[in-house]
Amino acid sequence: DTGVSQDPRHKITKRGQNVTFRCDPISEHNRLYWYRQTLGQGPEFLTYFQNEAQLEKSRLLSDRFSAERPKGSFSTLEIQRTEQGDSAMYLCASSRLAGGPTDTQYFGPGTRLTVL
Amino acid sequence: AQTVTQSQPEMSVQEAETVTLSCTYDTSESNYYLFWYKQPPSRQMILVIRQEAYKQQNATENRFSVNFQKAAKSFSLKISDSQLGDTAMYFCAFMINTNAGKSTFGDGTTLTVKP
Repeated sequence: DTGVSQDPRHKITKRGQNVTFRCDPISEHNRLYWYRQTLGQGPEFLTYFQNEAQLEKSRLLSDRFSAERPKGSFSTLEIQRTEQGDSAMYLCASSRLAGGPTDTQYFGPGTRLTVL
Repeated sequence: AQTVTQSQPEMSVQEAETVTLSCTYDTSESNYYLFWYKQPPSRQMILVIRQEAYKQQNATENRFSVNFQKAAKSFSLKISDSQLGDTAMYFCAFMINTNAGKSTFGDGTTLTVKP
């Protein structure tokens, strides 16, 4: 068990460019979550997957954002036509749905996006 | 909608002393979970302690314990025998027990443990 990994750790881009982030959850974790964290605030929920199905999307996730989780393994989060307001830390977390009480979410190190 | 409020943006404590971080929340749900997460500088967030709302007994994990007051919608974290490694941002989080798993976080308290 190597933990949740995210790539890249840092991304600097110019406004209007597209960016894609990757998250590799803990193996056999069937739930995967994306959160956004801006400086001085707590993480805000963006979306989550159970296996390959995207079950919920926050209203924070505008049409410029899209997330996928093909084959229920890793996930990607793409932001099109980036804006300066997209600058934030993007956190991924995974958990295992065990059929009982909600299991612990394990967080990755995050991808810090800076839009110039 | 659920809200989580952490009214102490920054706190400090001397090494080996005890500190309490405050958290209040607002919800109309009766079945939920509460969490405290720790986010050290430039490191990833880890779970410190969790509390199921249906349990009256306060959760404890070694030097960490909570004071859960359901009627008051209060969920404070007590850290005993503070250590330098406890220096971090601490987030209080709330999760409805719908099996969805998404959490609502407070804005955090930055705790500094001084030698």
